[in-house]
Amino acid sequence: EVKLVESGGGLVQPGRSLKLSCAASGFNFNDYWMGWVRQAPGKGLEWIGEINKDSSTINYTPSLKDKFTISRDNAQNTLYLQMSKLGSEDTAIYYCAREVYGGFDYWGQGVMVTVSS
Amino acid sequence: DIQMTQSPASLSASLGETVTIQCRASEDIYSGLAWYQQKPGKSPQLLIYGASSLQDGVPSRFSGSGSGTQYSLKISSMQTEDEGVYFCQQGLKYPLTFGSGTKLEIK
Repeated sequence: EVKLVESGGGLVQPGRSLKLSCAASGFNFNDYWMGWVRQAPGKGLEWIGEINKDSSTINYTPSLKDKFTISRDNAQNTLYLQMSKLGSEDTAIYYCAREVYGGFDYWGQGVMVTVSS
Repeated sequence: DIQMTQSPASLSASLGETVTIQCRASEDIYSGLAWYQQKPGKSPQLLIYGASSLQDGVPSRFSGSGSGTQYSLKISSMQTEDEGVYFCQQGLKYPLTFGSGTKLEIK
């Protein structure tokens, strides 16, 4: 069974950093591009970015390119999202997802990040 | 960025009714379109990819069609479990973008 489990969320002060993790199991992690998507409370979905199988290609949505960094550890079957200079606009549920055919076939349960003083 | 415009924003349907949700892209996306269903408190679930390919395990009452800039998702016979919010997403060009969602309820 494919499982994606995010962790590392919580309450963080404005301007601080936070690193999310996504533990993958039930499939060969090395064979898939992976991505991050977020959803502000009561709002729609926003693509953050993606990383290819060997980390040689990473794409971001332009507005987050200088704040967020995506990485992966294939030996640990784990995807990461390093977030810096956080502001209230970054308050959201963050999902990791497996990419196929330009879409996302499996999603984690999501992790809440709240940016507030 | 490619803008994805969904319509309607919300609708209600009776059990057994056929439902159609529209998604329009701001430029040709060459069938690079996916549809998702999201239920309250849950993560999105992939329904359709490549504009018309049904994801494994998704009931056959769901279907997708379209080309160019115009796409649609059809539910051939509304069921109670189909309540939720539906999103389209283009996967052709970066940044990947989603529609704003269509909330579907039982009438």
